[in-house]
Amino acid sequence: AQKITQTQPGMFVQEKEAVTLDCTYDTSDQSYGLFWYKQPSSGEMIFLIYQGSYDEQNATEGRYSLNFQKARKSANLVISASQLGDSAMYFCAMRGLLSGGYNKLIFGAGTRLAVHP
Amino acid sequence: EAGVAQSPRYKIIEKRQSVAFWCNPISGHATLYWYQQILGQGPKLLIQFQNNGVVDDSQLPKDRFSAERLKGVDSTLKIQPAKLEDSAVYLCASRPGRTGELFFGEGSRLTVL
Repeated sequence: AQKITQTQPGMFVQEKEAVTLDCTYDTSDQSYGLFWYKQPSSGEMIFLIYQGSYDEQNATEGRYSLNFQKARKSANLVISASQLGDSAMYFCAMRGLLSGGYNKLIFGAGTRLAVHP
Repeated sequence: EAGVAQSPRYKIIEKRQSVAFWCNPISGHATLYWYQQILGQGPKLLIQFQNNGVVDDSQLPKDRFSAERLKGVDSTLKIQPAKLEDSAVYLCASRPGRTGELFFGEGSRLTVL
């Protein structure tokens, strides 16, 4: 069975500081993908960053980077230089394989991040 | 490029009533998903379509939920009869092919009284 675990229900950080949001996963697939999404209070899910299981380098997208530790099955999101607009729910998700070669995306429970001025 | 469109944004019904949600994915996106997000939880996949065929509906409560994607474009999710525990945000998402990130709509928030 595939599972995503986010153990931090809530985190807070001072503006301009860096913060790490934890994510661990469980899968028996050899090939998989890990995603992070941001969900502001308005409700839409915004894609942030993607890491493939065979990617040797950690993914980076602007102020977002993914600390991928395959042996530990962790895919933590690092946000550098936090901004007030980063306050939101953050979800870690994993691409799992369905029969027929199709993929589905399963989500963790999320971490609520509050950025303080 | 237009995003994923969903309607209605908000719906309040009484238990045992029925409700339908509509989703129009991004043009050309073959894969369409319906997720249920209960307050304080992550989204849970209800059903996944590839064009107009169902590829996964293992978590869809089929005694009360139904979904269709006629002509492989827009989709409708129906709940009949609704229960209190169906109160949630129903998110529609689409993807161009079999891999890559999902693009989400703003969701339809259902309150069942």
